Amino acid sequence: GAVVSQHPSWVICKSGTSVKIECRSLDFQATTMFWYRQFPKQSLMLMATSNEGSKATYEQGVEKDKFLINHASLTLSTLTVTSAHPEDSSFYICSAREETGTQYFGPGTRLTVL
Amino acid sequence: AQSVSQHNHHVILSEAASLELGCNYSYGGTVNLFWYVQYPGQHLQLLLKYFSGDPLVKGIKGFEAEFIKSKFSFNLRKPSVQWSDTAEYFCAVNNNAGNMLTFGGGTRLMVKP
Repeated sequence: GAVVSQHPSWVICKSGTSVKIECRSLDFQATTMFWYRQFPKQSLMLMATSNEGSKATYEQGVEKDKFLINHASLTLSTLTVTSAHPEDSSFYICSAREETGTQYFGPGTRLTVL
Repeated sequence: AQSVSQHNHHVILSEAASLELGCNYSYGGTVNLFWYVQYPGQHLQLLLKYFSGDPLVKGIKGFEAEFIKSKFSFNLRKPSVQWSDTAEYFCAVNNNAGNMLTFGGGTRLMVKP
C-alpha cells in the first residue's frame, strides 16, 4: 500500500520555539494532504487541508498564523508550529490523499513543549 | 455537515469470539466509507474501504464490512478475533464532492488470550 512518512517522530522543545514537521508521500503523488491533531484517548481532529501550490484551508478554531502549512511539491507538506507553548503539545498526524480518494496516514509526530 | 458515530467506545472479547463494530454516518449524498485500525504504538492503517459496487467489502486480516444505505451504516465484522486484533478502530466517511475525511470517535478493542 501507499506509504506516508513524517519527520521527526518526536520533538521536545522549549516554549517560544518554532517547530517544523514534514510529511512525505513516498510512492505516490498527493495534490492534497491533511494535518490532524490527536489528543489522548480521542479521535483525530482535522486542523487543515493542504493543497499543492495554493494556500491551506484551515478548520474553524485553528489559527493559521500559529500553524503554518506549506505544500511545496506533490510529495511534501510541512507544518510549522510557531512560538510553541505547552498547550500545543500533542500528536500531529498527516495524511496524503491519493487519486482514488483514499487517505493514507503518516506515523505521527509527538510534540512536547516544555 | 457530515458526521460519524461509533456506538461502542470499548469492546472486550475473548479469542475466537465474533466481532461487530457499529458505525453510522449522517450525510444525504453519495459517500465513500473507510475503516482504519491503529495498533498500539503504530499509526493508522487502512483496513478496508467502500466506494461503490458490492456493499459487502472484504479487507485485510479477515475483516469485512457491510454498507447498508438505508440504515446509513457501515459495520465492521470479523468472525473470529485474535489477540493480535487488539487495537483502536476508526470508521471514516468522505463525501464524493470533497476531500474531507470525517472520523468517528473510535472503538478500542481488547482481545483476551
